[in-house]
Amino acid sequence: GAVVSQHPSWVICKSGTSVKIECRSLDFQATTMFWYRQFPKQSLMLMATSNEGSKATYEQGVEKDKFLINHASLTLSTLTVTSAHPEDSSFYICSSTQETQYFGPGTRLLVL
Amino acid sequence: QKEVEQNSGPLSVPEGAIASLNCTYSDRGSQSFFWYRQYSGKSPELIMSIYSNGDKEDGRFTAQLNKASQYVSLLIRDSQPSDSATYLCAVNTVAGGTSYGKLTFGQGTILTVHP
Repeated sequence: GAVVSQHPSWVICKSGTSVKIECRSLDFQATTMFWYRQFPKQSLMLMATSNEGSKATYEQGVEKDKFLINHASLTLSTLTVTSAHPEDSSFYICSSTQETQYFGPGTRLLVL
Repeated sequence: QKEVEQNSGPLSVPEGAIASLNCTYSDRGSQSFFWYRQYSGKSPELIMSIYSNGDKEDGRFTAQLNKASQYVSLLIRDSQPSDSATYLCAVNTVAGGTSYGKLTFGQGTILTVHP
């Protein structure tokens, strides 16, 4: 399967700060990547579709000004959680698609 | 009604038995179906994909798809303790007859294989 990396793998930050998460497609170029969030004991919830060279498409209920997505190249998408609060603490997972979605290892965010 | 629904579980089977995981979906236009395995604290990994009616086998795993019944299942033969994980059913969302890659996930079924 395709290789997708994420960085960092975990991050702890203070409430009110911003956190950037990187997602890289390592062995193919991806015009589309996806960002998911998973709370404990729950399934994956799609947050947004990241489109290379254009604006991201956000799912209903996801604040686009809070979760900034940039897909500046065919191998890199970034998610920035702005002014993070404890309720944003979650497991953030990106995926890259080449007919089938392959997931990155995830980033665990803890906001104190 | 949930778009993708899995049997609630948790499911517990003895080592060597067959584990049967089920999933139903509501969008009749869905075209692609996937089973992912997720170990605790890890991200999902793809096990099987299936696109047409019938069975698809890969090693100890068999995916079954019945589009008329809007039903997809995963059978795990000779279950091993290492198969213990959460299994996620995912369906490709289709809009306007064109697939654009979005997946809708079921809530997952926790499988425990005990020695």
